[in-house]
Amino acid sequence: GAGVSQTPSNKVTEKGKYVELRCDPISGHTALYWYRQSLGQGPEFLIYFQGTGAADDSGLPNDRFFAVRPEGSVSTLKIQRTERGDSAVYLCASSLSGGGRDTQYFGPGTRLTVL
Amino acid sequence: QQQVKQSPQSLIVQKGGISIINCAYENTAFDYFPWYQQFPGKGPALLIAIRPDVSEKKEGRFTISFNKSAKQFSLHIMDSQPGDSATYFCAASAVNSNYQLIWGAGTKLIIKP
Repeated sequence: GAGVSQTPSNKVTEKGKYVELRCDPISGHTALYWYRQSLGQGPEFLIYFQGTGAADDSGLPNDRFFAVRPEGSVSTLKIQRTERGDSAVYLCASSLSGGGRDTQYFGPGTRLTVL
Repeated sequence: QQQVKQSPQSLIVQKGGISIINCAYENTAFDYFPWYQQFPGKGPALLIAIRPDVSEKKEGRFTISFNKSAKQFSLHIMDSQPGDSATYFCAASAVNSNYQLIWGAGTKLIIKP
């Protein structure tokens, strides 16, 4: 079966612009996670969805970041007024039910570059 | 308290040798310790995971050793192969934060043929 897919694979934008990053999780997975990975670092948690609702958005760095998952499947991470410090690889992962030992399956990521 | 400290940052091992990566943690509530493997341009993929009720888990050439009293765990790759060259991340999660993985900084492993 298909894994987690993310589009676009690369996004270059200018400071101050708005961007949307898309994640298609594995079919049937109710839990979806967004992470941000800076060069040479481990992934940093941003937000966790259980179904359509954001169960925990405590990792979002500020109110410029927002994510939705309106039908409990595809999710979009939205970043307003982008800043150079937002440049990173944004990873999406999904798991079957979201339990603590549920394997999280990662997509290839979207590399965001803010000029 | 929430950190997971991983070492070394990079590691070069000869083909056929043993690769060892170490992680340490402080939060005694952590009860799940996975290791992820990441190739360039790809997302991390679960390699092997352990719970604190066992001291060792082996899957093929990969072994996790866990020392609960020292709050340390390590990944051993036996008979290391060039195809094992990747970045390895340890992580941890706690039952009272039942989904959030806390990640180490990663180890870039290079296996020389």
